[in-house]
Amino acid sequence: KQEVTQIPAALSVPEGENLVLNCSFTDSAIYNLQWFRQDPGKGLTSLLLIQSSQREQTSGRLNASLDKSSGRSTLYIAASQPGDSATYLCAVIRVNAGNMLTFGGGTRLMVKP
Amino acid sequence: EAQVTQNPRYLITVTGKKLTVTCSQNMNHEYMSWYRQDPGLGLRQIYYSMNVEVTDKGDVPEGYKVSRKEKRNFPLILESPSPNQTSLYFCASSLSGTGGSEQYFGPGTRLTVT
Repeated sequence: KQEVTQIPAALSVPEGENLVLNCSFTDSAIYNLQWFRQDPGKGLTSLLLIQSSQREQTSGRLNASLDKSSGRSTLYIAASQPGDSATYLCAVIRVNAGNMLTFGGGTRLMVKP
Repeated sequence: EAQVTQNPRYLITVTGKKLTVTCSQNMNHEYMSWYRQDPGLGLRQIYYSMNVEVTDKGDVPEGYKVSRKEKRNFPLILESPSPNQTSLYFCASSLSGTGGSEQYFGPGTRLTVT
């Protein structure tokens, strides 16, 4: 069974710092990995999708990498801003598991002004 | 605007009173699914649909029903809600149900069953 773990569970940084969020998964037979952002009490916003054949994706200040062999993904946020404060979730889709996302527990990020 | 919508956004009900949470997408997506989010348990899939009239169970289907009569709509039905179904519910959709298509989520429905 696929397990997805995110470390750290919570992170507090001063504005302007570059930071890395980690995601690990136990089964490397995946189609893709997707990073989401969730604001308190709100829905999930898709940030980046990395196909299993790719090693990284970039969108603005965000860069996500994927290493299937080691079962890891990282989300890099450059020059963090208070508006980046949210919970960040990673999720994988396993091969032969339909299109079901298996989620990590999330990293709660607070960026202080 | 491409989006997934859910209604209602908030619902408080009593044990045993049947309810339906609607989900609609305007992106002509084939695949739709429902998740629930609970503290300490994260997001778990309830049901999914690969296309019209094709539905199947996810990880936690007990106590729920779904239907997919039209491509754009995928309602979640709780025929006899119980307090353990108090949760935050999300509907999601993607272009295809195979190959790992990017998924888009609705804003969520917060359900409280007393």
